[in-house]
Parts: sequence; C-alpha cells; structure tokens
Amino acid sequence: EDKVVQSPLSLVVHEGDTVTLNCSYEVTNFRSLLWYKQEKKAPTFLFMLTSSGIEKKSGRLSSILDKKELFSILNITATQTGDSAIYLCAVGWGGATNKLIFGTGTLLAVQP
Amino acid sequence: DGGITQSPKYLFRKEGQNVTLSCEQNLNHDAMYWYRQDPGQGLRLIYYSQIVNDFQKGDIAEGYSVSREKKESFPLTVTSAQKNPTAFYLCASSDPRTGGSYEQYFGPGTRLTVT
Repeated sequence: EDKVVQSPLSLVVHEGDTVTLNCSYEVTNFRSLLWYKQEKKAPTFLFMLTSSGIEKKSGRLSSILDKKELFSILNITATQTGDSAIYLCAVGWGGATNKLIFGTGTLLAVQP
Repeated sequence: DGGITQSPKYLFRKEGQNVTLSCEQNLNHDAMYWYRQDPGQGLRLIYYSQIVNDFQKGDIAEGYSVSREKKESFPLTVTSAQKNPTAFYLCASSDPRTGGSYEQYFGPGTRLTVT
C-alpha cells in the first residue's frame, strides 16, 4: 500500500531555532514530492522536488529529496512565530491523474 | 484574480440531512479534487475529476457524491449515508497539461459540523 509518513507529528520550538521536518514515502511510480504550509485553512505550495540531491530554497526555507533512501527534509532556519503551521508532505505518483498522496502533517508551533 | 472559492466557510446540519458544498475555480484547470481533513490526519481524497462530465472515486468516497457539469464547478454532496461527516473539506484544482506538474491549488475550505 502506498504511504507517506511525516515526523515528528508535532514540534514546539522558540523563535530563532532551526527545525528539520521529515517525510518518508513508499509509493509506486513516484513522480514528485511536494511540501505545503497550512495555516488554519488553505494549504499553500512551498516546493516541488523531482530530482535527488538538488536543494530548493526560498528565504529561510529549504528542502531536499533523496530518491534512493525515499525521503525528503524541510528545513526552516531562524524560525519566526509566523512559521507556526501544519506542514504537509505529498507525493505525486504515476499516471495522468496528477493525484497526490498526503502525509499526516507536522504541526509546528514557534513560541516567542 | 484567479483562484478557488468554497462556500460556505462554516456549515451546520442535523444528522440525516444531505448537504452540498460548493467549489468554483477560475484558473481554467481541467482537474479538480475534494479532500477531507480530520484532526491529526492528513488530507484524504474523496473524489476527483479529470475533465467535465467525468469523475472518479478517491480513497474515502462512501457517503459522498459529486458532479462535474461545468469546468469551473465541482460540488460535493455529503449524504446521510456518511457515518462521520463532521470534518474540514478542501477543494483543489490542477492543470495536468503542464508537463507533469503535480501542484494543486487549494480553496479556503468548508468546516462542516453535523449534530
């Protein structure tokens, strides 16, 4: 059965800390891995990764994919209270359907 | 301004009643999706549609129905057969024609409470 597993399930840090969120997957016909940030309502897109070893970066956020070990990490440096959210990992799998399989998410709380 | 709208934001219903959640997009996307999100769980796929007048069951379709009569609209009906309908419902769309892009765009969601 295809699955996407995220860890930790929840995390509390203080402003300025660096956090690493993990996403491992077992998905047949893997095509891409996506990260989303969800604050209260609509998930917003962060990154899409398709190739191993190539880091994607946006400000204080960065992500990398390892297709051999079947995992991805999302790093957030110098965390701010505005980073508090659920971070969702999703895997796009083969076929023409563009379907995504989501993990359970990591709830990040950044305290001042 | 392109995007996805869902209405209403909050919905309250009595047990035994059917209820329809609205989802509209003006992104000109062919594919649309409905997800359910429960506390501590990720998004689970209810139904999806690749094209007008066609839709497929997702992982948890029992107790739900959809229609896709127009490209812009993909309403979801939660029927009385759905055993635990209280949840947060998210609608999304994507453009499968964009060379393998799996990025989905999400609406703001509808929180349904059934008592």
